[in-house]
Amino acid sequence: SYELTQPPSVSVSPGQTARITCSGDALPKKYSYWYQQKPGQAPLLVIYKDKERPSGIPERFSGSSSGTIVTLTISGVQAEDEADYYCQSADFNNTSVVFGGGTKLSVL
Amino acid sequence: QLQLQESGPGLVKPSETLSLTCTVSGGSISSRPYYWAWIRQPPGKGPEWIGTVYFTGSTYFKSSLRSRFTISVDTSKNQFALKLSSVTAADTATYYCARQVGGYVPDYFDSWGQGTLVTVSS
Repeated sequence: SYELTQPPSVSVSPGQTARITCSGDALPKKYSYWYQQKPGQAPLLVIYKDKERPSGIPERFSGSSSGTIVTLTISGVQAEDEADYYCQSADFNNTSVVFGGGTKLSVL
Repeated sequence: QLQLQESGPGLVKPSETLSLTCTVSGGSISSRPYYWAWIRQPPGKGPEWIGTVYFTGSTYFKSSLRSRFTISVDTSKNQFALKLSSVTAADTATYYCARQVGGYVPDYFDSWGQGTLVTVSS
């Protein structure tokens, strides 16, 4: 089955830039989306259509795409950004929504 | 503001059928271009999309789960429901309902319920 691959963890200090990648062979032909999930909470959409920010999401969150890799960038990381982040897209035939395995962002 | 709320039992015995309902408030379940989805997340793991229903009643599922899941919609109550038959311990997870935004490749989920933990145990 189709998979999206993310690094298990990323660590940064407050104020630094965090980059979380997601790779998948179908990504060049699909939109990607990013969700933030804090403990005990539902996932929250932070990036849609590769690089768009929903209303209410801080400008420090941005998305980019290059070939089979999409990247979530958080500039000027704050302590409140510590969370799990999941990418989402679909398989080649668009028959199944797929989530990445998740990346735990630690703010040291 | 759109809100989704899951309801159902927190504990189900192995081999039984799990039934969950999602009540949508602050918006109509018949609104276009929205679909309505169920997503589950086993403890310590990532989300897994289960399936989706449109207000017309049409559904589609993750292929590996299709045989055991049923999703239905009741527009008069602004609700949609999930049924899972023959549950096993592997079905223990937090189950979320979500609004799915259609028209993109692929669709995405812009509003989620708080989730309900379902444990399968005798």
